[in-house]
This record gives sequence, C-alpha cells and structure tokens, in this order.
Amino acid sequence: KAGVTQTPRYLIKTRGQQVTLSCSPISGHRSVSWYQQTPGQGLQFLFEYFSETQRNKGNFPGRFSGRQFSNSRSEMNVSTLELGDSALYLCASSLGTGAGQPQHFGDGTRLSIL
Amino acid sequence: SQQGEEDPQALSIQEGENATMNCSYKTSINNLQWYRQNSGRGLVHLILIRSNEREKHSGRLRVTLDTSKKSSSLLITASRAADTASYFCATDGGAARQLTFGSGTQLTVLP
Repeated sequence: KAGVTQTPRYLIKTRGQQVTLSCSPISGHRSVSWYQQTPGQGLQFLFEYFSETQRNKGNFPGRFSGRQFSNSRSEMNVSTLELGDSALYLCASSLGTGAGQPQHFGDGTRLSIL
Repeated sequence: SQQGEEDPQALSIQEGENATMNCSYKTSINNLQWYRQNSGRGLVHLILIRSNEREKHSGRLRVTLDTSKKSSSLLITASRAADTASYFCATDGGAARQLTFGSGTQLTVLP
C-alpha cells in the first residue's frame, strides 16, 4: 500500500506570495491533518479534514487554509507569505477522525521564504 | 502550543545499550502516542497507549504511562545505529480532537 505522498518536496517563495501544498493520503484513509514544524515552535497542528469537512483547527491566522476533495486528497494554502512561514509542512492521514488514531505521515514539504 | 515536554532533549549512547526517554504533559489525556522522525523525513508512528493502560510493548519498545504523574517513558532496548532519530510524544487530551506534540528527544546511537 502506498504511503502518504506530499508534493512538492521543496519550495522557495518570496514574501507576499501565496503557495499551495498537496497531500495524497493512504488509500482508504478519510482523515487528513496538517502540521507545521519549525525549530523554534516544534510541531504545531494546523487543521484536520474528514469527508471534505474541516473538523478541527489549530491556532493559526486565516492566511492558512485548506480543503479536502472527494477522493480524500487535501491541499493547504498559505497566502501573503511571511518569513516566519518558513517551515516543514507535514501531512498525516488516518482511517478515522480525531486524535485517537495512529497518524501516518508524509515526508513533508520544505517551504523556504526569501 | 506544546503540551508534552520530552526529557532529555538529547541523548547519546553506544550501540547495544538501552535508551530511555521521558515525556511529561499538562492536562488529562485519552491516549498518548510515540513517534520517531529521521532527519528530513516525516514522523513514523511507534506505539499508542490508552489512559487506562500502564504499560505496552512492541518489539524492542516498552512504553509506560503514569496518569497520576502525567508522564510517560519510552524504553528502546538493545539500541542500534538505525535507531538514531528524534522521538516525540503526542497527546490527545480530553475533548481535544487534535494531537499535541512534545518538543522531542534527539537520540544518537554510536556504532
């Protein structure tokens, strides 16, 4: 069974631009969660989608948004990029919703803001 | 915000030795999970222990949970160089529907 796939692996943007990251979950998994990982703040939860509905949201500004498609694939969008948005963005999928399930992570998208 | 705090932040041992990492958290939980992250890669789920369990084993891994002290430990026995990675605990606290990760322990196993 293929794992969680995130594209692209690396991305370089400049301040003020916007970016879209993509995540394909494990086949059959309906929940997709997004995390931001930085050296200073560690791993922080962004949001979770299940059956195309946002089920939970972390403490991030509205510039961070996401969506999920009917095939469970998910995209995350960040608008008006800031230097502090430089991070590893990780996507994780699970069979069901909620945090009581093991999460299966992709290898992430490394976003660098110049 | 991070609920869990791992201790130590970094640990260096020789191959064949045991490695113990600790995690403390602040609020009541439904379950606690441990993950491993190799450099530049995503996290890999290791083990999940529920709040009504005290100990769980998986291969060379042993996890304990003490809800009265709000702490958990991860023991890796007979460590190998391939165990070199960062290890994170993650909690699912109460009504929270999201995982909250700790700051991680960087384990280095020297051959």
